[in-house]
Amino acid sequence: SYVLTQPPSVSVAPGQTAKITCGGNRIGNKVVHWYQQKSGQAPVLVIYFDGDRPSGIPERFSASSSGNMATLTISRVEAGDEADYHCQVWDSSSDQGVFGGGTKLTVL
Amino acid sequence: QLQLQESGPALLKPSETLSLTCTGSGGSIGGDLHYWGWIRQSPGKGLEWIASIHHKDGTFYNPSLKRRVTVSLDTPKNQFSLKMTSVVAADTAIYYCARDYGDYGAGFNWFDSWGQGMLVTVSS
Repeated sequence: SYVLTQPPSVSVAPGQTAKITCGGNRIGNKVVHWYQQKSGQAPVLVIYFDGDRPSGIPERFSASSSGNMATLTISRVEAGDEADYHCQVWDSSSDQGVFGGGTKLTVL
Repeated sequence: QLQLQESGPALLKPSETLSLTCTGSGGSIGGDLHYWGWIRQSPGKGLEWIASIHHKDGTFYNPSLKRRVTVSLDTPKNQFSLKMTSVVAADTAIYYCARDYGDYGAGFNWFDSWGQGMLVTVSS
């Protein structure tokens, strides 16, 4: 089955840029979505269809995907961005939704 | 704005059947635009997609869970449900229901509205 690999943790100082990666075989050929999950809360969609943002999500959140890697970029990181971030795709070869293991973003 | 709420027993014994219901408010469950999905998260772990259902286009199941899982829609009640048979301790997780914007034929889906989640514990 298709596997998405994320680093367990990423740390960044306030005001800096955080990059969270999501690795998968030819993930650049798939449509990637990203979710933010704050402690004790349900996930919230922050990026869909590779790079679109739902209403209410700041422009500081962006994403890209190419080859075997997708990346979520958070610019001008704030303390409130501290959360787990999950990538997700649909794997057509096995007809199933697949999530990455999640990355904990710590704001120093 | 659509809100989703999971409900059902929070504590099960091994070999019992997990039954959860997701009730929608402020919006309609059904219609042609969306699937309706279940996702779970074991303690301290990542998210795992369980299944998604559409009122016309059918149901997709996680192959690793398909043998034990059934999902259904009850559009008059604005609800959809999850049943998982023969539960074991490894099924202990927070179970989320979510609205699934999916075009599986085109190869994508995403979850744009989530319930708050419900912790289900399997223990003897």
